[in-house]
Amino acid sequence: TQLLEQSPQFLSIQEGENLTVYCNSSSVFSSLQWYRQEPGEGPVLLVTVVTGGEVKKLKRLTFQFGDARKDSSLHITAAQPGDTGLYLCAGAATDSWGKLQFGAGTQVVVTP
Amino acid sequence: SAVISQKPSRDICQRGTSLTIQCQVDSQVTMMFWYRQQPGQSLTLIATANQGSEATYESGFVIDKFPISRPNLTFSTLTVSNMSPEDSSIYLCSAIDTKTYEQYFGPGTRLTVT
Repeated sequence: TQLLEQSPQFLSIQEGENLTVYCNSSSVFSSLQWYRQEPGEGPVLLVTVVTGGEVKKLKRLTFQFGDARKDSSLHITAAQPGDTGLYLCAGAATDSWGKLQFGAGTQVVVTP
Repeated sequence: SAVISQKPSRDICQRGTSLTIQCQVDSQVTMMFWYRQQPGQSLTLIATANQGSEATYESGFVIDKFPISRPNLTFSTLTVSNMSPEDSSIYLCSAIDTKTYEQYFGPGTRLTVT
């Protein structure tokens, strides 16, 4: 089993501040996904990264996949209350398309 | 992106009974999966739903407890059999979009076993 460790587990910040969530593993992943989940709902896909060193930007969110494809980060600039939610990283091993190994999640709370 | 719906959205069931959860995708997908999210925890893969053949189960999950069907490319069911309180979880259907190869999740079915 490939373990994905997310940090921090919980993050509470003020509106306008920046934040970074980390996702680390000792194993290599063929792809890595970031999801956001709100209470009572399923995870919503934010981004998929597949190339080592890849950086993707989605408005105020920046996602980076490590060169060795073992780690990833999510950076939010000028956080807003609407960014509040549980952020999950999930990796797929080589030849295990769709069989995602999830991190434990980072609960982000952005207060006005 | 693929849009996934599940029925029921939630249910409260008695110990020893069974519940079948339905998953419908609005477009053709390559692969479908069932995940479980226990209270306060992250998601765990139960099985891959294979079209026209038996599902492929992950370690710790067996067909007798979680029978799965996938009669066509866009529909699958998961049955939670002989339920116990430990089966109380959110059950989520997931699918990979054939055009984007991105993986999406349904809204989940919240199951409470009393």
